[in-house]
Amino acid sequence: NAGVTQTPKFRVLKTGQSMTLLCAQDMNHEYMYWYRQDPGMGLRLIHYSVGEGTTAKGEVPDGYNVSRLKKQNFLLGLESAAPSQTSVYFCASSAGGGNSPLHFGNGTRLTVT
Amino acid sequence: AQSVTQLGSHVSVSEGALVLLRCNYSSSVPPYLFWYVQYPNQGLQLLLKYTTGATLVKGINGFEAEFKKSETSFHLTKPSAHMSDAAEYFCAVRGNQGGKLIFGQGTELSVKP
Repeated sequence: NAGVTQTPKFRVLKTGQSMTLLCAQDMNHEYMYWYRQDPGMGLRLIHYSVGEGTTAKGEVPDGYNVSRLKKQNFLLGLESAAPSQTSVYFCASSAGGGNSPLHFGNGTRLTVT
Repeated sequence: AQSVTQLGSHVSVSEGALVLLRCNYSSSVPPYLFWYVQYPNQGLQLLLKYTTGATLVKGINGFEAEFKKSETSFHLTKPSAHMSDAAEYFCAVRGNQGGKLIFGQGTELSVKP
């Protein structure tokens, strides 16, 4: 049981380039999330999804797009990378609200030069 | 709106000493609260979660958290620190929409031999 798997683990981009981060979960969870982690700022929510075919904006959505075409996958896209998007990106999934916890992947470390 | 404040970005204790990591929350509804731990270069792992009606919640690795509604606090404790407890700890509260978690800024715990 792999849980939440993120690919790639590391990536270096030049300003203006685009890329897609892939998140896959095998727990049949309805809810999926993308967070970014920056020093001293905790985790900030970028986008989330409450089910296949749905997406919604989080706290810091600008410069990112997402898609949830299949229940088990949640893709995060950067259309034109900027140095401010240098961060560690975490995907998470959850069975629902209430006290259902989020299950996290191991992160993708992205550097934009 | 829900929010979380973690008091102290860095806490240092000696091995065998009491660990106390502070978390205060703001919520307009009965809160769903969580503590997560992050070891270097890894994702977040669930330590414990608050269950409605409980005052003391037990988690993994000997950690506990006490829920005090009157103080809007959910502090994390461990009676005796171990070197392996050195990590970053995050308190989180569930938001109103989409099951998202709102995280505090994190507290880095150092354990001295």
